[in-house]
Amino acid sequence: SQQGEEDPQALSIQEGENATMNCSYKTSINNLQWYRQNSGRGLVHLILIRSNEREKHSGRLRVTLDTSKKSSSLLITASRAADTASYFCATVPGYGNKLVFGAGTILRVKS
Amino acid sequence: DGGITQSPKYLFRKEGQNVTLSCEQNLNHDAMYWYRQDPGQGLRLIYYSQIVNDFQKGDIAEGYSVSREKKESFPLTVTSAQKNPTAFYLCASSIDRGHEQYFGPGTRLTVT
Repeated sequence: SQQGEEDPQALSIQEGENATMNCSYKTSINNLQWYRQNSGRGLVHLILIRSNEREKHSGRLRVTLDTSKKSSSLLITASRAADTASYFCATVPGYGNKLVFGAGTILRVKS
Repeated sequence: DGGITQSPKYLFRKEGQNVTLSCEQNLNHDAMYWYRQDPGQGLRLIYYSQIVNDFQKGDIAEGYSVSREKKESFPLTVTSAQKNPTAFYLCASSIDRGHEQYFGPGTRLTVT
């Protein structure tokens, strides 16, 4: 079963613009993670935010978590063509020990 | 992809044949996972193992089997009972359950 739902399904922006992707989930979580997948490749872990954290930064990435709304957002600032990929959120439910992935957002950055 | 290898990258089989996908990690991770990804979709968990000689079914285990005889290795067998085996298969590992996962490059299986 997929708990995370990303929004939008696809996003196309110009290089230099910011990209924002959202993730909603259904049950309480232990942590929420974001991953990137380039076409035909494995996933790469980007950032993990715990349920007691509200915001986290890593380079050009900013992740927020609102547990009251059961939602998270991933912001990529000053996007580059190399950021073109699919982005997935994944949650670790509070009662479980597995990652549950959403369907992903396809980001295209045009140069 | 560092630390986890999957082989082969592409695999072609005839319907009715069993096929085994390899996954090896040198990260000293206890937990390992197998996922299936279909076009335009997220990952679905097939099997996972938290320790050697132990594994649990994921959400779509029917038609698949695994073994975990060594910490470094977690092979997946796609049996003839799997009704729609053509997909992209990803192996991952993590230091412990719930932590960030490290993924291999994937194996694209095509069954005709």
